[in-house]
Amino acid sequence: DTAVSQTPKYLVTQMGNDKSIKCEQNLGHDTMYWYKQDSKKFLKIMFSYNNKELIINETVPNRFSPKSPDKAHLNLHINSLELGDSAVYFCASSQDWGVKGYEQYFGPGTRLTVT
Amino acid sequence: DAKTTQPPSMDCAEGRAANLPCNHSTISGNEYVYWYRQIHSQGPQYIIHGLKNNETNEMASLIITEDRKSSTLILPHATLRDTAVYYCIAPGLDSNYQLIWGAGTKLIIKP
Repeated sequence: DTAVSQTPKYLVTQMGNDKSIKCEQNLGHDTMYWYKQDSKKFLKIMFSYNNKELIINETVPNRFSPKSPDKAHLNLHINSLELGDSAVYFCASSQDWGVKGYEQYFGPGTRLTVT
Repeated sequence: DAKTTQPPSMDCAEGRAANLPCNHSTISGNEYVYWYRQIHSQGPQYIIHGLKNNETNEMASLIITEDRKSSTLILPHATLRDTAVYYCIAPGLDSNYQLIWGAGTKLIIKP
């Protein structure tokens, strides 16, 4: 059973388009995250949701809008895609927020390429 | 966050123990040390964490020095599949409960 899954795995699109990435976890966790890993391989937190409520929003452009329909799902919608959005996006989950949030489980990633 | 320092890369022979060091000299008394790894083209994977006592699980052992200023992750019998980037993270009270990821150590297991 896949604990944290993301779709699609690869996404190639043109500048200006709008796209979504979906994430689902079957671990029963309360907290979910979106990370961006750029070409330099540094992982940076983008958003975090706890019990469907946004708790972290790290200076991400307004073009990025997360949405958590329930505790098991956290989707990421990106408007007006730009070349600089090309990266690998990882979804993760943890049992809870706070100290329990340091033990995170990651999805396989979505490689987004904007042309 | 306690700043962590790791060597950028290391090699280890297959079947031998891989010892990955991490320096966290500014760690405070209640800050844990977490280890993750990222195998190429995969998401990061949680390995182990500890506070002051040595810890062991099915993946690895974590040895934390008595002064807590450094730690070593030990993969007892490294295999080719252990080739990955290993991250040592010491999230602090000022991190807003976020993991702050550095560059990690690129561990290459050689046959």
